[in-house]
Formats: sequence, C-alpha cells, structure tokens
Amino acid sequence: ETGVTQTPRHLVMGMTNKKSLKCEQHLGHNAMYWYKQSAKKPLELMFVYNFKEQTENNSVPSRFSPECPNSSHLFLHLHTLQPEDSALYLCASSQAGGGNSPLHFGNGTRLTVT
Amino acid sequence: DQQVKQNSPSLSVQEGRISILNCDYTNSMFDYFLWYKKYPAEGPTFLISISSIKDKNEDGRFTVFLNKSAKHLSLHIVPSQPGDSAVYFCAASGDNNNDMRFGAGTRLTVKP
Repeated sequence: ETGVTQTPRHLVMGMTNKKSLKCEQHLGHNAMYWYKQSAKKPLELMFVYNFKEQTENNSVPSRFSPECPNSSHLFLHLHTLQPEDSALYLCASSQAGGGNSPLHFGNGTRLTVT
Repeated sequence: DQQVKQNSPSLSVQEGRISILNCDYTNSMFDYFLWYKKYPAEGPTFLISISSIKDKNEDGRFTVFLNKSAKHLSLHIVPSQPGDSAVYFCAASGDNNNDMRFGAGTRLTVKP
C-alpha cells in the first residue's frame, strides 16, 4: 500500500465505549498529525508527533489520547466521548520541519458518538 | 482564534471559465501558504503552495497570488474543468509545518 491509510473509515460509538483509530503511512515521513474536521469549520490541529515524540497538543481534552509507537504508525485512543466529538478525524504525515512541506492526508475516519 | 479565513463557503462557475478562490489571514508571521483540494470521502490533497517572499506561483492551470500587505491570497484555476469540482482549503504555516492552520474551505462546482 502507498500513502496514508486510516482505519476504520466509519465508527459509531456510545459515550461509554473505548475505541481506537489507526493510521499508517508508507511515505517514509517522520512527522504525523491528527486533525479534526467538524462541519463547516476549519481543520483543527489536535496532535503532532515528530520522530515519535509529541511536539504539539492543541489543548485537546484528555478523552482523546494519542499514541505513536514508531514513525509509521499513529493511534488515537477514544474514551467517554461526547456527542459533540462527532466529526471527521484526519491523519496526516509529512517530512518534519519546513513550513513548505505539504501534509499528506489519509481518507479519514467518520466518527459518530451516540 | 481563526487565523485563516475563507469567507466564501461555495462558488459555482461554468466550464472553461476562470475560478477564483479567496483566502485571508491574520498572522503576519506566516511564511508559507498552501492550497489543498478535497473530494468527497477522501482526505485533502496538496495542490500548490507559495512562499511569503513571492507574490505569484504557477503550476499548469493553477496559479496562486499572494498580497502580503492585504494579508490575502487567491487561487486561480483557468480554464476550469468539471473534475475541479471539490472543496478547496487554504492553509498557512510558519517556518515549521507543525502548526499548519487551515481555513474552513470553499466548495467549488464547475458546471459543464
């Protein structure tokens, strides 16, 4: 496989469930990101990992917990979410550093919290 | 604090005509500006970028213009094609892409 792969594509979970989103990149990049896209809102940066180290946590509630075991894999662990957390969650990767290095996105996980 | 704004949620143009998508930003420290394109059920894909030291960058049918004094950039697509119908996101970053900021997107529809 090439590019950035996210699983699952769709997820419906109750507020008491625990689930995880998975992201894998095959581009040899060393930075990985989680973004949240809510309807008609800008993409919202959640977490950034450079060389497996978390470098950004954009004031995200603790019910979202990221994990980056290596430069190719990124997880987002979810627990006790709220209905307002329903959104499209996008994973991205890039070469770390240069502001001109574009992000490569996966196709996202559409999350619905009931 | 929305540092990148796309004030037009949608735009409709006729095939063959020019599409102009606009973007405004508030942070004068941004060094790079990028445009992404997103089809339904897919993630955004990088389209074209421009450095803050330039005022124009062209790639085939796509040209991005930057007006630093007005903190404004635009994406021109000419001629527009039906396959260009998508949501276009404007993004900006400093010298490090760890904090890339996105606009809310503009949905472009190109009618045959």
